[in-house]
Amino acid sequence: GQQVMQIPQYQHVQEGEDFTTYCNSSTTLSNIQWYKQRPGGHPVFLIQLVKSGEVKKQKRLTFQFGEAKKNSSLHITATQTTDVGTYFCAVRDNQGGKLIFGQGTELSVKP
Amino acid sequence: NAGVTQTPKFQVLKTGQSMTLQCAQDMNHEYMSWYRQDPGMGLRLIHYSVGAGITDQGEVPNGYNVSRSTTEDFPLRLLSAAPSQTSVYFCASSYSGAVDTQYFGPGTRLTVL
Repeated sequence: GQQVMQIPQYQHVQEGEDFTTYCNSSTTLSNIQWYKQRPGGHPVFLIQLVKSGEVKKQKRLTFQFGEAKKNSSLHITATQTTDVGTYFCAVRDNQGGKLIFGQGTELSVKP
Repeated sequence: NAGVTQTPKFQVLKTGQSMTLQCAQDMNHEYMSWYRQDPGMGLRLIHYSVGAGITDQGEVPNGYNVSRSTTEDFPLRLLSAAPSQTSVYFCASSYSGAVDTQYFGPGTRLTVL
């Protein structure tokens, strides 16, 4: 079945620093989704990428889908304490209709 | 709309007990799924359903049963609870499938002693 590796597992930054998390797959992906989970909360959808080389922005967040559609990244510029949480990528399994999540990157921001 | 609801919020079981985690959605979504979340393991898919009457296994289905008799409800049954099933369980739903936005419930925190 489909697997996706997400790195790093943890990231501690000073407020104002940038942050990036990466998702990598050994196979070509049809699409990739990104979710954010605040501490004690549930995952919330951020965005979906579908096209090769696609770049989407949401305020300070930039999402990229690799040209080969095997990797993706989420970059946060000038982190704020409100960015704290765990960021997950999720991909559709290429053998069926299920959605598989990466292990997540936990971001902590020191004020 | 209430969205995706889960009950109970917290549950403590003894080893060997059985119980059902409830999940309901009022958005007329066809696709529903159950995940468990453990530290360092991310979200792992237990079972999913693409519509009423249809269920399939995810990554970690052992020890769990599901059924989907209606579009709205997707209960998860633990047959004989084990300490390894201590986890936070999330139910999610989407309009038509894995490529759609997933809406998650608030979660059930389960402890098995």
